[in-house]
Amino acid sequence: DQQVKQNSPSLSVQEGRISILNCDYTNSMFDYFLWYKKYPAEGPTFLISISSIKDKNEDGRFTVFLNKSAKHLSLHIVPSQPGDSAVYFCAASATDSWGKLQFGAGTQVVVTP
Amino acid sequence: DTAVSQTPKYLVTQMGNDKSIKCEQNLGHDTMYWYKQDSKKFLKIMFSYNNKELIINETVPNRFSPKSPDKAHLNLHINSLELGDSAVYFCASSLVDTQYFGPGTRLTVL
Repeated sequence: DQQVKQNSPSLSVQEGRISILNCDYTNSMFDYFLWYKKYPAEGPTFLISISSIKDKNEDGRFTVFLNKSAKHLSLHIVPSQPGDSAVYFCAASATDSWGKLQFGAGTQVVVTP
Repeated sequence: DTAVSQTPKYLVTQMGNDKSIKCEQNLGHDTMYWYKQDSKKFLKIMFSYNNKELIINETVPNRFSPKSPDKAHLNLHINSLELGDSAVYFCASSLVDTQYFGPGTRLTVL
Protein backbone atom coordinates (compact mmCIF):
# COMPACT_ATOMS: atom_id res chain seq x y z
CA ASP A 1 0.00 0.00 0.00
CA GLN A 2 2.03 2.91 -1.34
CA GLN A 3 0.91 6.05 0.43
CA VAL A 4 3.48 8.23 -1.34
CA LYS A 5 3.70 8.06 -5.11
CA GLN A 6 6.15 9.45 -7.60
CA ASN A 7 4.64 8.58 -10.93
CA SER A 8 7.53 9.73 -13.10
CA PRO A 9 10.39 7.26 -12.84
CA SER A 10 12.68 9.52 -14.84
CA LEU A 11 13.14 13.10 -15.98
CA SER A 12 15.61 14.53 -18.45
CA VAL A 13 16.29 18.28 -18.43
CA GLN A 14 18.78 20.61 -20.03
CA GLU A 15 21.35 22.38 -17.93
CA GLY A 16 20.07 25.81 -16.90
CA ARG A 17 16.41 24.87 -17.25
CA ILE A 18 13.90 24.13 -14.52
CA SER A 19 13.40 20.59 -13.17
CA ILE A 20 9.96 19.88 -11.74
CA LEU A 21 9.48 16.70 -9.74
CA ASN A 22 6.05 15.64 -8.59
CA CYS A 23 4.79 13.62 -5.64
CA ASP A 24 1.28 12.59 -4.58
CA TYR A 25 0.16 11.16 -1.28
CA THR A 26 -2.98 9.46 -0.04
CA ASN A 27 -2.75 9.71 3.76
CA SER A 28 -4.39 12.92 5.00
CA MET A 29 -2.57 12.51 8.35
CA PHE A 30 0.78 13.33 6.76
CA ASP A 31 1.92 16.73 7.97
CA TYR A 32 5.62 16.84 7.18
CA PHE A 33 7.17 16.30 3.78
CA LEU A 34 10.77 15.97 2.70
CA TRP A 35 12.80 15.60 -0.46
CA TYR A 36 15.99 13.58 -0.53
CA LYS A 37 18.60 13.28 -3.24
CA LYS A 38 20.52 10.07 -3.75
CA TYR A 39 23.64 9.31 -5.75
CA PRO A 40 24.54 5.68 -6.59
CA ALA A 41 26.18 3.77 -3.71
CA GLU A 42 25.47 6.60 -1.27
CA GLY A 43 22.76 7.24 1.30
CA PRO A 44 19.88 9.67 0.69
CA THR A 45 20.88 13.26 1.39
CA PHE A 46 18.30 15.63 2.86
CA LEU A 47 17.45 18.48 0.48
CA ILE A 48 14.46 20.42 1.69
CA SER A 49 11.31 19.94 3.74
CA ILE A 50 7.93 21.54 4.27
CA SER A 51 5.41 21.44 7.07
CA SER A 52 1.70 21.19 6.29
CA ILE A 53 1.12 24.66 7.73
CA LYS A 54 3.01 26.15 4.78
CA ASP A 55 2.48 25.93 1.05
CA LYS A 56 5.97 26.87 -0.08
CA ASN A 57 9.52 26.59 1.17
CA GLU A 58 12.59 27.82 -0.62
CA ASP A 59 16.28 27.09 -0.14
CA GLY A 60 18.60 28.42 -2.80
CA ARG A 61 17.86 26.72 -6.11
CA PHE A 62 15.32 24.37 -4.50
CA THR A 63 11.68 25.20 -3.85
CA VAL A 64 9.03 22.82 -2.56
CA PHE A 65 5.34 23.53 -3.09
CA LEU A 66 2.58 21.83 -1.14
CA ASN A 67 -1.06 21.63 -2.23
CA LYS A 68 -2.86 19.97 0.69
CA SER A 69 -6.27 19.88 -0.94
CA ALA A 70 -4.82 17.97 -3.90
CA LYS A 71 -2.47 15.94 -1.69
CA HIS A 72 0.33 16.93 -4.01
CA LEU A 73 3.77 18.37 -3.64
CA SER A 74 6.43 19.32 -6.11
CA LEU A 75 10.12 20.15 -6.08
CA HIS A 76 11.45 22.82 -8.40
CA ILE A 77 15.16 23.05 -9.15
CA VAL A 78 16.20 26.27 -10.87
CA PRO A 79 18.56 26.39 -12.65
CA SER A 80 19.36 22.70 -13.09
CA GLN A 81 23.03 21.77 -12.99
CA PRO A 82 24.84 18.58 -14.06
CA GLY A 83 25.55 17.77 -10.40
CA ASP A 84 21.79 17.57 -9.84
CA SER A 85 21.70 14.30 -11.77
CA ALA A 86 20.57 11.81 -9.14
CA VAL A 87 17.51 9.97 -7.86
CA TYR A 88 15.11 12.19 -5.93
CA PHE A 89 12.86 10.70 -3.26
CA CYS A 90 9.76 12.28 -1.82
CA ALA A 91 8.95 11.28 1.77
CA ALA A 92 6.17 12.03 4.24
CA SER A 93 5.44 11.52 7.91
CA ALA A 94 2.61 12.09 10.36
CA THR A 95 3.00 13.64 13.81
CA ASP A 96 1.74 10.57 15.62
CA SER A 97 3.92 8.12 13.69
CA TRP A 98 7.13 8.49 15.71
CA GLY A 99 9.01 9.81 12.70
CA LYS A 100 8.15 6.91 10.41
CA LEU A 101 8.91 8.14 6.90
CA GLN A 102 6.96 6.79 3.93
CA PHE A 103 8.98 7.09 0.75
CA GLY A 104 8.01 7.34 -2.88
CA ALA A 105 9.72 5.16 -5.48
CA GLY A 106 12.02 7.92 -6.62
CA THR A 107 12.55 9.90 -9.83
CA GLN A 108 15.82 9.62 -11.73
CA VAL A 109 16.85 13.08 -12.93
CA VAL A 110 19.39 13.47 -15.71
CA VAL A 111 20.67 16.96 -16.45
CA THR A 112 22.20 17.20 -19.91
CA PRO A 113 24.68 19.88 -21.03
CA ASP B 1 33.66 13.87 10.67
CA THR B 2 31.01 11.61 9.13
CA ALA B 3 27.58 12.27 10.62
CA VAL B 4 26.00 8.82 10.24
CA SER B 5 28.35 5.94 9.51
CA GLN B 6 27.72 2.28 8.82
CA THR B 7 30.00 -0.73 8.69
CA PRO B 8 30.53 -2.70 6.63
CA LYS B 9 29.65 -1.04 3.31
CA TYR B 10 29.45 -4.40 1.55
CA LEU B 11 28.61 -7.77 3.06
CA VAL B 12 28.53 -11.02 1.11
CA THR B 13 27.56 -14.15 2.99
CA GLN B 14 26.02 -17.59 2.66
CA MET B 15 22.42 -18.52 3.42
CA GLY B 16 21.94 -19.58 7.01
CA ASN B 17 24.72 -17.41 8.43
CA ASP B 18 24.29 -14.76 11.13
CA LYS B 19 25.62 -11.26 10.47
CA SER B 20 25.59 -7.80 12.04
CA ILE B 21 25.62 -4.29 10.60
CA LYS B 22 26.78 -1.43 12.81
CA CYS B 23 25.60 2.17 12.78
CA GLU B 24 26.93 5.18 14.62
CA GLN B 25 25.89 8.83 14.58
CA ASN B 26 27.82 11.79 15.98
CA LEU B 27 25.02 14.31 15.56
CA GLY B 28 23.73 14.07 19.12
CA HIS B 29 20.35 12.84 17.84
CA ASP B 30 17.96 10.95 20.09
CA THR B 31 16.30 8.76 17.49
CA MET B 32 17.82 6.21 15.13
CA TYR B 33 16.28 4.09 12.38
CA TRP B 34 16.91 1.14 10.10
CA TYR B 35 15.50 1.15 6.56
CA LYS B 36 15.64 -1.51 3.87
CA GLN B 37 15.85 -0.67 0.18
CA ASP B 38 14.65 -3.64 -1.80
CA SER B 39 15.25 -4.63 -5.41
CA LYS B 40 12.45 -2.30 -6.54
CA LYS B 41 14.31 0.57 -4.86
CA PHE B 42 11.59 1.27 -2.28
CA LEU B 43 12.90 2.49 1.06
CA LYS B 44 10.94 0.95 3.91
CA ILE B 45 11.35 1.48 7.61
CA MET B 46 12.16 -1.53 9.74
CA PHE B 47 12.89 -0.24 13.24
CA SER B 48 13.30 2.95 15.22
CA TYR B 49 14.88 3.58 18.62
CA ASN B 50 14.52 6.68 20.76
CA ASN B 51 17.05 7.00 23.56
CA LYS B 52 17.76 3.27 23.39
CA GLU B 53 14.07 2.30 23.50
CA LEU B 54 12.31 0.58 20.61
CA ILE B 55 9.50 2.79 19.30
CA ILE B 56 8.84 1.46 15.79
CA ASN B 57 8.88 -2.20 14.88
CA GLU B 58 7.41 -2.82 11.46
CA THR B 59 6.40 -6.24 10.20
CA VAL B 60 9.89 -7.62 10.06
CA PRO B 61 10.83 -11.30 10.60
CA ASN B 62 12.10 -11.88 14.12
CA ARG B 63 15.39 -13.04 12.60
CA PHE B 64 16.14 -9.31 12.54
CA SER B 65 17.06 -7.90 15.93
CA PRO B 66 18.15 -4.32 16.50
CA LYS B 67 20.36 -3.46 19.45
CA SER B 68 21.02 0.02 20.80
CA PRO B 69 23.86 0.03 23.37
CA ASP B 70 23.61 3.82 23.65
CA LYS B 71 21.79 6.56 21.81
CA ALA B 72 24.66 7.07 19.35
CA HIS B 73 24.63 3.47 18.13
CA LEU B 74 22.02 1.21 16.58
CA ASN B 75 23.19 -2.16 15.32
CA LEU B 76 21.22 -4.66 13.26
CA HIS B 77 21.73 -8.36 13.80
CA ILE B 78 20.30 -10.84 11.30
CA ASN B 79 20.05 -14.55 12.08
CA SER B 80 19.70 -17.40 9.59
CA LEU B 81 20.12 -15.22 6.53
CA GLU B 82 17.86 -15.95 3.55
CA LEU B 83 18.20 -15.06 -0.14
CA GLY B 84 15.37 -12.54 0.22
CA ASP B 85 17.37 -10.57 2.78
CA SER B 86 19.64 -9.34 -0.01
CA ALA B 87 19.12 -5.57 -0.11
CA VAL B 88 20.71 -2.29 0.85
CA TYR B 89 20.21 -1.39 4.51
CA PHE B 90 20.31 2.24 5.57
CA CYS B 91 20.68 3.62 9.05
CA ALA B 92 19.34 7.10 9.84
CA SER B 93 19.07 9.44 12.79
CA SER B 94 16.98 12.47 13.71
CA LEU B 95 16.55 15.07 16.41
CA VAL B 96 13.05 16.19 15.48
CA ASP B 97 11.54 15.69 12.03
CA THR B 98 14.40 15.50 9.54
CA GLN B 99 16.25 12.21 9.20
CA TYR B 100 19.87 11.97 8.12
CA PHE B 101 21.02 8.80 6.46
CA GLY B 102 24.17 6.74 6.48
CA PRO B 103 25.86 5.53 3.28
CA GLY B 104 24.16 2.14 3.31
CA THR B 105 25.28 -1.48 3.60
CA ARG B 106 24.75 -3.70 0.57
CA LEU B 107 24.01 -7.21 1.82
CA THR B 108 24.23 -10.07 -0.65
CA VAL B 109 23.12 -13.52 0.47
CA LEU B 110 24.33 -16.38 -1.74
